[in-house]
Amino acid sequence: DVKVTQSSRYLVKRTGEKVFLECVQDMDHENMFWYRQDPGLGLRLIYFSYDVKMKEKGDIPEGYSVSREKKERFSLILESASTNQTSMYLCASSLHGVETQYFGPGTRLLVL
Amino acid sequence: GENVEQHPSTLSVQEGDSAVIKCTYSDSASNYFPWYKQELGKRPQLIIDIRSNVGEKKDQRIAVTLNKTAKHFSLHITETQPEDSAVYFCAASSTGNQFYFGTGTSLTVIP
Repeated sequence: DVKVTQSSRYLVKRTGEKVFLECVQDMDHENMFWYRQDPGLGLRLIYFSYDVKMKEKGDIPEGYSVSREKKERFSLILESASTNQTSMYLCASSLHGVETQYFGPGTRLLVL
Repeated sequence: GENVEQHPSTLSVQEGDSAVIKCTYSDSASNYFPWYKQELGKRPQLIIDIRSNVGEKKDQRIAVTLNKTAKHFSLHITETQPEDSAVYFCAASSTGNQFYFGTGTSLTVIP
């Protein structure tokens, strides 16, 4: 059974702080994704990675960066958190060539 | 890029009735269309998907139809049960990597 875990379920940060969200998958998946989920907007892709040290911008990369140093771990970084980054963040992974994405439980981030 | 629209945003049905959720997409290159179910406080999970070379796919009480010409696809749930209550998301992809999601439909099944 595929397991995707995220470092925190809930996080409260202050404006201007640097925030790290981590995602780990245990199924040797090549592809990993970061989405944010907002009411009425669905899931929007921030960044994805199809291999170690590789990254591609999604639809809303502004204000975010990512890091993939190891295959199983994909980190989302908010360089200087702002209140409009308050959201639910979902990580997902998939096997290369297989479209099914497996999601993590999500991190609800509140930026004050 | 792709634009996926999903309707309705909320849907209430009586237990045992059918529910239909519709999505339209803009990019004719999209060829894979999954549906995800997200129960309250839980992660989205794939419930059914369809590829562009197929017009309809069924899995027990759930079915998905695809009209490539009109660029729309629909989720049909028959004999709804309270455990079907959740938010449902459609998505479209042409690459198998980058997905464009609809805005979600909150389905409530009234016992």
